[in-house]
Amino acid sequence: EVQLVESGGGLVQPGGSLRLSCAASGFTFSSYWMHWVRQAPGKGLVWVSRINRDGITTTYTDSVKGRFTISRDNAKNTLYLQMNSLRVEDTAVYYCAREYNNLVHSWGQGSLVTVSS
Amino acid sequence: QSALTQPPSASGSPGQSVTISCTGTSSDVGGYDYVSWYQQHPGKAPKLMIYEVSKRPSGVPDRFSGSKSGNTASLTVSGLQAEDEADYYCSSYAGSNNYVFGTGTKVTVL
Repeated sequence: EVQLVESGGGLVQPGGSLRLSCAASGFTFSSYWMHWVRQAPGKGLVWVSRINRDGITTTYTDSVKGRFTISRDNAKNTLYLQMNSLRVEDTAVYYCAREYNNLVHSWGQGSLVTVSS
Repeated sequence: QSALTQPPSASGSPGQSVTISCTGTSSDVGGYDYVSWYQQHPGKAPKLMIYEVSKRPSGVPDRFSGSKSGNTASLTVSGLQAEDEADYYCSSYAGSNNYVFGTGTKVTVL
């Protein structure tokens, strides 16, 4: 069974940094592209970032380019999202997700990030 | 990277059908058959209901069906049941390793 467990969320001040982790199990992590998707409170889903199997190819939504970095450690079966220069509008539940057949397929339960002074 | 456009709400009585539209552009919905639909209940993670426009993952009831015409994709839920009340989101591959989600539709079972 595919399991994705996010951690690292919490309260951070504007301008601060936070690193999210996503521990994967139940599948061969290194064989899959991975994504981060976020959802602000009471709002819709927003795709954030994608990384290929070996971590070389990464893409980001425009609003986080230059501030967020997606990475992975295939030896540890873990996906990361380094978030710098955080803004109030980055407040959201961040979901880790596995790709399959060119779509976001399996989701974690999410980690809440709150950016507030 | 503009969000795909969905109606904010849709509703139907038990047993009826409801159809949700998802409008994009030729750079996303119209350009690829990588359109998917997700169901999200309050406080829960999204669940994949339709992929590649019209395919259903195993375990998803055949009451759920998808289609696409030009830049607009659609999700139809037939034989509405109480447990179908949820938020629904479409998503599409948008080229150059980018993806986009829809604005979301709240489905209410009357």
